[in-house]
Amino acid sequence: NAGVTQTPKFRVLKTGQSMTLLCAQDMNHEYMYWYRQDPGMGLRLIHYSVGEGTTAKGEVPDGYNVSRLKKQNFLLGLESAAPSQTSVYFCASSPRTGGPGELFFGEGSRLTVL
Amino acid sequence: DQQVKQNSPSLSVQEGRISILNCDYTNSMFDYFLWYKKYPAEGPTFLISISSIKDKNEDGRFTVFLNKSAKHLSLHIVPSQPGDSAVYFCAARGDYKLSFGAGTTVTVRA
Repeated sequence: NAGVTQTPKFRVLKTGQSMTLLCAQDMNHEYMYWYRQDPGMGLRLIHYSVGEGTTAKGEVPDGYNVSRLKKQNFLLGLESAAPSQTSVYFCASSPRTGGPGELFFGEGSRLTVL
Repeated sequence: DQQVKQNSPSLSVQEGRISILNCDYTNSMFDYFLWYKKYPAEGPTFLISISSIKDKNEDGRFTVFLNKSAKHLSLHIVPSQPGDSAVYFCAARGDYKLSFGAGTTVTVRA
């Protein structure tokens, strides 16, 4: 059981280049999220989705776009990368539930923008 | 403005002793609180949670305490083991999403 899979694991970009991070989950979860982790800042929510075809902004959405065309996939796009977007990106998913809403995370994607 | 705060960046504890991690929050509408553990080069993994209507939840060596009036929660690990060395994130749930603290790095000394 793969859980949450992120592609690619590592990427180096030059300023102004574009790229897409792919997140795939095989748990049939309704909700999906993209977070970034920076030293001293913890995990900050970029965008999230509560169902196929829906997306919403999180705390730090500027410079990113997302799409959820299929329930199992959540794509994070950077149209014009900036050095400030150097970070580790985590995708997560959770089921629709009345409980704590535990998130299941991928292993992370380390992005460096030069 | 950060709604979940972990004011201690690091904690060092001797093996076998108790580790106490603290977390404060500002939003009284949060309905669940969770703790996650993260090893280097891995994604965070869920550890334990507590509903806002409870004041304590225990799971093996891990206990979470919630003080709603103070908007404060803590995670107790007893006894601490070398495998507990990791970064611990406090998180709070509101409106389908989790807000995380900055994390506390725990080092368990032999």
